[in-house]
Amino acid sequence: RKEVEQDPGPFNVPEGATVAFNCTYSNSASQSFFWYRQDCRKEPKLLMSVYSSGNEDGRFTAQLNRASQYISLLIRDSKLSDSATYLCVVNDKGVKGGGADGLTFGKGTHLIIQP
Amino acid sequence: DGGITQSPKYLFRKEGQNVTLSCEQNLNHDAMYWYRQDPGQGLRLIYYSQIVNDFQKGDIAEGYSVSREKKESFPLTVTSAQKNPTAFYLCASRVLRGSSYNEQFFGPGTRLTVL
Repeated sequence: RKEVEQDPGPFNVPEGATVAFNCTYSNSASQSFFWYRQDCRKEPKLLMSVYSSGNEDGRFTAQLNRASQYISLLIRDSKLSDSATYLCVVNDKGVKGGGADGLTFGKGTHLIIQP
Repeated sequence: DGGITQSPKYLFRKEGQNVTLSCEQNLNHDAMYWYRQDPGQGLRLIYYSQIVNDFQKGDIAEGYSVSREKKESFPLTVTSAQKNPTAFYLCASRVLRGSSYNEQFFGPGTRLTVL
């Protein structure tokens, strides 16, 4: 069964701190990886895609470890506005045991930045 | 502006009634999706459609029905057969051709409550 596992938290972190999330996935043939952000009672929005070489966007860094089948998200200098739920998403479309249309969502990690 | 719209934002239904949730996109996306999200839970796929006049069941299709008569529209009907329909319903769309990294865009959601 395809799975994407995340620590649900909540992570309570002081403003300005660095916080890291991990996510593990079960399908070793998964093709692409994403972090989405979801604010309370809102729709998820793409935060960043995760590439094999790792990628950075401002205060956010995403890394992929295919050998260990995990994805990480690092947030530096955290802001109050970073408080949200972070969803790990894996695309395993077309691979054996993959999802119906590829995207499998983790349940999310809840982050609370405290002033 | 291009995007995905869902209506209504809030919907109240009496037990035993069917209700239809609207989803429209003007992004010219091939694929459209319906997800359900319960409190503290991840997104679960109800139905998806990759082409007009064709759709596939997701992981939790029982008690739901869809149609895809136009590329832009993918309405979801919650029937009286759905035992626990109170949830947050999210519609999404994305381009299928090209990269497996094509972003999935979400509508603002419909919050359905059964009274």
